[in-house]
Amino acid sequence: DVQLVQSGAEVKKPGESLKISCKASGYSFTNYWIGWVRQMPGKGLEFMGVIYPGDSDTRYSPSFQGQVTISADKSITTASLQWSSLTASDTAFYYCARLKNRSPPDFWGQGTLVTVSS
Amino acid sequence: QSALTQPASVSGSPGQSITISCTGGSSDVGLYESVSWFQQLPSKAPQLIIYDVSDRPSGVSNRFSGSKSGNTASLTISGLQADDEADYYCSSYSSTTAHVVFGGGTRLTVL
Repeated sequence: DVQLVQSGAEVKKPGESLKISCKASGYSFTNYWIGWVRQMPGKGLEFMGVIYPGDSDTRYSPSFQGQVTISADKSITTASLQWSSLTASDTAFYYCARLKNRSPPDFWGQGTLVTVSS
Repeated sequence: QSALTQPASVSGSPGQSITISCTGGSSDVGLYESVSWFQQLPSKAPQLIIYDVSDRPSGVSNRFSGSKSGNTASLTISGLQADDEADYYCSSYSSTTAHVVFGGGTRLTVL
């Protein structure tokens, strides 16, 4: 079975760095895209960007370009989302999801809650 | 503002049918046969319920059905049940942005 298992909830202070992860199993990790989706409290889904682990091709939605870094490690079938300096507006649930080329997600991780507060 | 437009809320009584619309444009919903719908139960991750406009993943009830006409996709839920109460999101690939886009979400209330 396809599974995407995300790392646990994080509580951080403004200005701190953070890397959250998404461990994939049950399919060929290098043959599908992995995307990240933000959901701010009480709001809808926002597509942040994607990575193709097969060749590390990475694409960001304009709203998130330069704000986060998406990466993937084929050896451990894990994708990551990283911030160098968090702000309170980064407080949200973050979901990883599997995607086929030019298609919406088909499988989702359980989500990681990131809380940024002084 | 979301790329795809959905009604903010819909409601229906148990046993009734409801339809949620998802309006995009000629570069997303109107162009691709890969429109998907997701159900998000309270405090849960989104779950795929319709893909490729009208296909259902294994295990999803046949009370959920999807269709598309022009730039508008629709999700119909028949025989409403209390546990259908959730947020529903549509999604499509967009040739304009070269990314996946989502609708703003529709909250379904079962009266």
